[in-house]
Amino acid sequence: GESVGLHLPTLSVQEGDNSIINCAYSNSASDYFIWYKQESGKGPQFIIDIRSNMDKRQGQRVTVLLNKTVKHLSLQIAATQPGDSAVYFCAENIGDKIIFGKGTRLHILP
Amino acid sequence: SQTIHQWPATLVQPVGSPLSLECTVEGTSNPNLYWYRQAAGRGLQLLFYSVGIGQISSEVPQNLSASRPQDRQFILSSKKLLLSDSGFYLCAYRGASAIRTQYFGPGTRLLVL
Repeated sequence: GESVGLHLPTLSVQEGDNSIINCAYSNSASDYFIWYKQESGKGPQFIIDIRSNMDKRQGQRVTVLLNKTVKHLSLQIAATQPGDSAVYFCAENIGDKIIFGKGTRLHILP
Repeated sequence: SQTIHQWPATLVQPVGSPLSLECTVEGTSNPNLYWYRQAAGRGLQLLFYSVGIGQISSEVPQNLSASRPQDRQFILSSKKLLLSDSGFYLCAYRGASAIRTQYFGPGTRLLVL
């Protein structure tokens, strides 16, 4: 669901480790999901998407998992790098609209 | 290739003044267009979206309005700005094809004083 008024939670990960960012969505009618990365002062950038008829999709260093039973989405980033430091948003498609989740700030520890 | 432009990049306006932010898209026809607002350190709030010229859907009642005078132009306006209108305004588009991913512009940072 949408939580635009809340401060963003932070996930701190050691450089080189894998990162897992979680997201809960609210609408069982959502048929398409997207993960975005937003760096400071910039617009969100598309990372990876998944349709509701899939439960896993892999990209370069990223994997998205979808569990429709519990309305849960996760983004896994392999071998996290300093350039991965950003805010990550999940988004769900409902008709013509895409509604964003609350976002998670990923902080990379040296 | 498809690109999306927003201007201005930064804007400082006094309370009570009008606002006009513009967004244009290139390289696609009949896109869906969207305006979002993002407060500092917060998530993205959908304000308006449009599926065609002259068609505007409002998501959040407030003193802002949107217009789509041309297929690839989306304008966000206000007659009188409030302090609470400060934020990062993002325009996004979705192409008319079956691919439903939204792509975002660079954003406009608005500070109302």
